[in-house]
Amino acid sequence: AQSVTQPDIHITVSEGASLELRCNYSYGATPYLFWYVQSPGQGLQLLLKYFSGDTLVQGIKGFEAEFKRSQSSFNLRKPSVHWSDAAEYFCAVGAWGSGNTGKLIFGQGTTLQVKP
Amino acid sequence: DARVTQTPRHKVTEMGQEVTMRCQPILGHNTVFWYRQTMMQGLELLAYFRNRAPLDDSGMPKDRFSAEMPDATLATLKIQPSEPRDSAVYFCASGLGSNEQFFGPGTRLTVL
Repeated sequence: AQSVTQPDIHITVSEGASLELRCNYSYGATPYLFWYVQSPGQGLQLLLKYFSGDTLVQGIKGFEAEFKRSQSSFNLRKPSVHWSDAAEYFCAVGAWGSGNTGKLIFGQGTTLQVKP
Repeated sequence: DARVTQTPRHKVTEMGQEVTMRCQPILGHNTVFWYRQTMMQGLELLAYFRNRAPLDDSGMPKDRFSAEMPDATLATLKIQPSEPRDSAVYFCASGLGSNEQFFGPGTRLTVL
């Protein structure tokens, strides 16, 4: 069965420091992978996605993520965090192929706190 | 700028009352999802539709929840009767084929 694990429930980094949020997935075929961000009181906004091709994908707001098939991971990174990046981050996996229903499986989320 | 809209944004009601939440998906999207988000359970998928047909509503309590798509521009989620444990933020999302989903701003429901 498909599943997504975000091992870190809560992360605190200083403004200007680098950031890496971990995501591990379980899926038998080629996955679609996504990172979403949710600011307080808002809906989820897509940061970036991986479907195929280059395993390093660039997203909005200076974020990037790297797909590593051997590790079943899709970690999110940012070289220098800004205070406005404080939010909750969700990793998600979707199906590929004829069984594709458009359904996503979301991880439990990682809350990012940014210290001044 | 195409986006998913949801109404109402906030709803406070008393236990036992009927609640209807509405969602307008992005024009042209053929898949619509309803999620519920709480602190305890996180983001839960309640139901989803493709081309207005329900594909899966196994995440929804059947005795009190119902989801419909009267037409391609409107999806509804109804709770009757509502209970305090239904208090949550309900999100609608729409998509087109490739799994990417666009989320609405949510309806914050409080049942007293």
